[in-house]
Amino acid sequence: DTEVTQTPKHLVMGMTNKKSLKCEQHMGHRAMYWYKQKAKKPPELMFVYSYEKLSINESVPSRFSPECPNSSLLNLHLHALQPEDSALYLCASCPSADSYEQYFGPGTRLTVT
Amino acid sequence: AQSVSQHNHHVILSEAASLELGCNYSYGGTVNLFWYVQYPGQHLQLLLKYFSGDPLVKGIKGFEAEFIKSKFSFNLRKPSVQWSDTAEYFCAVTPNTGGFKTIFGAGTRLFVKA
Repeated sequence: DTEVTQTPKHLVMGMTNKKSLKCEQHMGHRAMYWYKQKAKKPPELMFVYSYEKLSINESVPSRFSPECPNSSLLNLHLHALQPEDSALYLCASCPSADSYEQYFGPGTRLTVT
Repeated sequence: AQSVSQHNHHVILSEAASLELGCNYSYGGTVNLFWYVQYPGQHLQLLLKYFSGDPLVKGIKGFEAEFIKSKFSFNLRKPSVQWSDTAEYFCAVTPNTGGFKTIFGAGTRLFVKA
């Protein structure tokens, strides 16, 4: 299995809702990432988990809360989002610190109303 | 601060034309370099990578890139583009600090006319 899967594909939520994005990989990769991508812009790094521990938080607002329950699964919990948080949220995984190439999922298209 | 610059934001070529997309980065230490491609409607995928060794690396679909350390550059090339190469191309840099942080360039949208 050489895929990174993300669910849901699309999500519409109100500013008072709580929702979660899910990412899964079964390649045995030891690092997993969350990125935010706005239209016609490059991916912006949000969080990195390395060996199931949060290793990078790029000063992301606390309304985004990552979680890594195990080495294959990465969640992004969303609460009290703003309309400007609407974007494509990408998950990626990377084999190890010896190989930084990333495998990306298809993303979750999030719309905050 | 670390940054990645891609010189061309939009490129339009005819089929069979040669392609070169520029990428420069600012970081004084050892780096790992990547080109990723995003075809219309598809997710980002790795085109090629450079970690060490031969500075001329070959990737999928006939693409190659050359790392020139003195110029902090990692330009992408293809001798003859096809319509199917229409996509957005991102240069990315991961400093070799063991920290997994990756910085992406702004991207270049390539349109190949059939």
